[in-house]
Amino acid sequence: GDSVTQMEGPVTLSEEAFLTINCTYTATGYPSLFWYVQYPGEGLQLLLKATKADDKGSNKGFEATYRKETTSFHLEKGSVQVSDSAVYFCALSRGYGQNFVFGPGTRLSVLP
Amino acid sequence: DTGVSQNPRHKITKRGQNVTFRCDPISEHNRLYWYRQTLGQGPEFLTYFQNEAQLEKSRLLSDRFSAERPKGSFSTLEIQRTEQGDSAMYLCASSLDTYNEQFFGPGTRLTVL
Repeated sequence: GDSVTQMEGPVTLSEEAFLTINCTYTATGYPSLFWYVQYPGEGLQLLLKATKADDKGSNKGFEATYRKETTSFHLEKGSVQVSDSAVYFCALSRGYGQNFVFGPGTRLSVLP
Repeated sequence: DTGVSQNPRHKITKRGQNVTFRCDPISEHNRLYWYRQTLGQGPEFLTYFQNEAQLEKSRLLSDRFSAERPKGSFSTLEIQRTEQGDSAMYLCASSLDTYNEQFFGPGTRLTVL
């Protein structure tokens, strides 16, 4: 079945450091890929998405590129802030309206 | 606020009791999803509705779990004879079937003693 694997956390960085959170997936066909973020005490929020190979999703300084050849969707940000501290989930969907398959999440802590 | 809402936010119960959670989706969304999230894990799909019809159920949804969505609006998730292993965050999400995105509620945290 479909699955998503993420790098294990927690990840601890200093403010303004470069961030990479790795995500790889296993799925049949051509899924859409997502990054969701969960801030402390809040629900999941969509951060960015990509629906086909080589698409780049971006939002709030975060970017991720859909790499079909490596089945990856790594999340990057050039300069993290303390306010980026949260849990980040990579997810896939097999189509419009279909349920999501989530990775286990990666906790990011950014220190001032 | 017109987002997805869930009630209650927290529920503590004793093993063997029944509990019911409610989800109110974004009003024009015809799809509604339930997920379960345990500590340190990502959400796991339980079931979803298109309008009032329950279209898919995960194998995680044992016979003690039942979900309804009368009139295609709000949804309820009931767990009968709760067990300690049911302790988790229960998340609701909604979407249009033409959307490639789901909108999540804040969740209901269940603790079974």
